[in-house]
Amino acid sequence: NAGVTQTPKFQVLKTGQSMTLQCAQDMNHNSMYWYRQDPGMGLRLIYYSASEGTTDKGEVPNGYNVSRLNKREFSLRLESAAPSQTSVYFCASSPQGVYYGYTFGSGTRLTVV
Amino acid sequence: RKEVEQDPGPFNVPEGATVAFNCTYSNSASQSFFWYRQDCRKEPKLLMSVYSSGNEDGRFTAQLNRASQYISLLIRDSKLSDSATYLCVVWDSGYALNFGKGTSLLVTP
Repeated sequence: NAGVTQTPKFQVLKTGQSMTLQCAQDMNHNSMYWYRQDPGMGLRLIYYSASEGTTDKGEVPNGYNVSRLNKREFSLRLESAAPSQTSVYFCASSPQGVYYGYTFGSGTRLTVV
Repeated sequence: RKEVEQDPGPFNVPEGATVAFNCTYSNSASQSFFWYRQDCRKEPKLLMSVYSSGNEDGRFTAQLNRASQYISLLIRDSKLSDSATYLCVVWDSGYALNFGKGTSLLVTP
């Protein structure tokens, strides 16, 4: 089915470990986004990529890095995981600009112990 | 960052009831408006866009009031399956959408 695919769906890390969250979309969308969602905080933008070859920081970029590997793929890396990064992570994509809204992936539930 | 404010609820309503949510936004230059639905432990999904003239999709009606800077969502004849969190979303020409924190709806038998 067309859409946004995130892997893994669940992950438990120990403090200090690193990992990469993968995201791929097959809708030929130009823009891609990484959000985290925490209880009471809503969705907060970590990083975004307006188009292939560009990435920019969102509201809460500290502790994360991203790579827009090609038009389809946008990965999020945690270099040294901290308990404060325990969250649900959503990748999203949109056509050029966000006028038409986003399509979200199904999310990654990350726990850092 | 521009704000999008919603009453978090929860709104508890019986099946068949009509329920309405409002959302206010702070940037008068906002250009696009949406309602997203998020089920428990799932991703947000687009419910409907909100147009200046208002729009309806089955039991759902969305309205935009630019003068007062609020958006509303009306759900008629509520179903158990309508239980979810409803996110108000606004685009103000920036690089990304602005999300409210959501309003929780629980429809009871």
